[in-house]
Amino acid sequence: EAGVAQSPRYKIIEKRQSVAFWCNPISGHATLYWYQQILGQGPKLLIQFQNNGVVDDSQLPKDRFSAERLKGVDSTLKIQPAKLEDSAVYLCASSLGGGGGTGELFFGEGSRLTVL
Amino acid sequence: KQEVTQIPAALSVPEGENLVLNCSFTDSAIYNLQWFRQDPGKGLTSLLLIQSSQREQTSGRLNASLDKSSGRSTLYIAASQPGDSATYLCASFNTNAGKSTFGDGTTLTVKP
Repeated sequence: EAGVAQSPRYKIIEKRQSVAFWCNPISGHATLYWYQQILGQGPKLLIQFQNNGVVDDSQLPKDRFSAERLKGVDSTLKIQPAKLEDSAVYLCASSLGGGGGTGELFFGEGSRLTVL
Repeated sequence: KQEVTQIPAALSVPEGENLVLNCSFTDSAIYNLQWFRQDPGKGLTSLLLIQSSQREQTSGRLNASLDKSSGRSTLYIAASQPGDSATYLCASFNTNAGKSTFGDGTTLTVKP
């Protein structure tokens, strides 16, 4: 069974530039999450999708961050314009969701962003 | 608001030692508690998941326990090996919030 796929693995940009990250969850997983992980800290939830609808985006800085999950499968997370403090690893996770299953989270390898 | 704490932040032990990692959470209304391993520059790998109705789960040399009433979970690693060196994170899925909250992890170093 294929795991959660993310790209790119690494990205270096100048501040005020834009960047986009892509995630493909495990097949059949209805729930998709984007987390931000700053060095030395645990992941912090940015946005949660159930199929193609947003369940929770309360921690997403909406003035610069946006995310979408078209057709309820792949998802993209965009940052525009980037700030120095956005340097972090962006992790995508998925779970079976839909009221069933154990709620177990499965993570991708992450996309490491460096903003100069 | 759920808060998850992992103490200590770092731990160093000699190879072969048995050890316990701690995870505490403030809201006992949890759906599950999941333990992860994270190697440097990598994503999170799920180790064990304990449902709220369970007390413990075991996988090989790993055993995780859950005590909702005291807001604590422990991860027991038996006969530690240098390959166990990594950061271990716990996450509780809070029923009221409908989402998981992570601790900041314990970085384990097992010395040969």
